[in-house]
Amino acid sequence: KAGVTQTPRYLIKTRGQQVTLSCSPISGHRSVSWYQQTPGQGLQFLFEYFSETQRNKGNFPGRFSGRQFSNSRSEMNVSTLELGDSALYLCATREGGTTSTDTQYFGPGTRLTVL
Amino acid sequence: SQKIEQNSEALNIQEGKTATLTCNYTNYSPAYLQWYRQDPGRGPVFLLLIRENEKEKRKERLKVTFDTTLKQSLFHITASQPADSATYLCALPNTGGFKTIFGAGTRLFVKA
Repeated sequence: KAGVTQTPRYLIKTRGQQVTLSCSPISGHRSVSWYQQTPGQGLQFLFEYFSETQRNKGNFPGRFSGRQFSNSRSEMNVSTLELGDSALYLCATREGGTTSTDTQYFGPGTRLTVL
Repeated sequence: SQKIEQNSEALNIQEGKTATLTCNYTNYSPAYLQWYRQDPGRGPVFLLLIRENEKEKRKERLKVTFDTTLKQSLFHITASQPADSATYLCALPNTGGFKTIFGAGTRLFVKA
């Protein structure tokens, strides 16, 4: 099976702009989670989508939003970018279901730089 | 609140030795614990999952222990190789089990 893909891999934006990142899960995976990784904060959970519905949400401001399509592909959007949003954004997919014990598979990430 | 602690200092060891990494957690009792490996600029890769009723789990040169009394997991790499150099992350489910909370990770350097 093909792995998790994320596009774009690198992105440079300026403050105030908005950005949309995309994640295509492994075939058959219905759960997509998004994480932000920075040197200072580590891996922080943003949100999880399952069957087109947001199932869980982390502690991020409303500028961070996401959605999932019927084919399980997911996008996340960050509006009004701030310098502190510079990070590696990772998506992780799994088969889903009622618990999180099934293995998560991470994509390579999108490196976002905000100038 | 739930908290995971991993040694933030890098661990430097000689090739062939056993590397031991520690993960401590507080304020909850997870049903399982996971270990991931992350290389620079890449996403984490799942290594092992150990459940609360398992004391130890092995996979090739990897061994994980889970002490629910001490609230601690130890991750061992035996006969370490330079290719094992990476950051190792410990992860646990939050209360309710739907979110995965990651530790900050420990950077391992294996010298030839």
